[in-house]
Amino acid sequence: EDQVTQSPEALRLQEGESSSLNCSYTVSGLRGLFWYRQDPGKGPEFLFTLYSAGEEKEKERLKATLTKKESFLHITAPKPEDSATYLCAVQANRDDKIIFGKGTRLHILP
Amino acid sequence: GAGVSQSPSNKVTEKGKDVELRCDPISGHTALYWYRQRLGQGLEFLIYFQGNSAPDKSGLPSDRFSAERTGESVSTLTIQRTQQEDSAVYLCASSLFHRGSNQPQHFGDGTRLSIL
Repeated sequence: EDQVTQSPEALRLQEGESSSLNCSYTVSGLRGLFWYRQDPGKGPEFLFTLYSAGEEKEKERLKATLTKKESFLHITAPKPEDSATYLCAVQANRDDKIIFGKGTRLHILP
Repeated sequence: GAGVSQSPSNKVTEKGKDVELRCDPISGHTALYWYRQRLGQGLEFLIYFQGNSAPDKSGLPSDRFSAERTGESVSTLTIQRTQQEDSAVYLCASSLFHRGSNQPQHFGDGTRLSIL
């Protein structure tokens, strides 16, 4: 069965303290792995798509990496406005369904 | 508007009533998805449309749930005889979808449904 597990469930960091969020996945034939940011009361906002192991993508203070079993979202020198829930999702080659993890709630303290 | 629009933004109703939730996708997006998000939980896939067809209805929780899409545009999610466990945020997303390729989903801000 395809599944996505994110860790930690919650993370509190001081402003400027870099860290990484983990997304472990099991899927038969990965079509793509997605990272989203979700603010309270809002829908998820697309960040990155990764397609194959070894791929990396960056956007401002965020960098996403992918291996055959997991993806990391690295946050460098975060700011309070980076506080949000970060969601990881995978799509398998065989169908169109996208499976989401439960997310990591990130809180950056000023 | 440029984004995915959902209405109503909030809905409070009594147990046993029927509710209809609406989604206006981004113009030109052929794929449309419905998800349910319970408090503190991840997104639960409900149903997917490619054009006006729904090739995958496996995520619908029960026969009280149904959805349709017309004109490759607006979609409605209907919940009949609502139960308290139906309380959640219902999110809609759309994407430019071509089979065999990846397209990111663009989400609306959801309908927060509360069943009394």
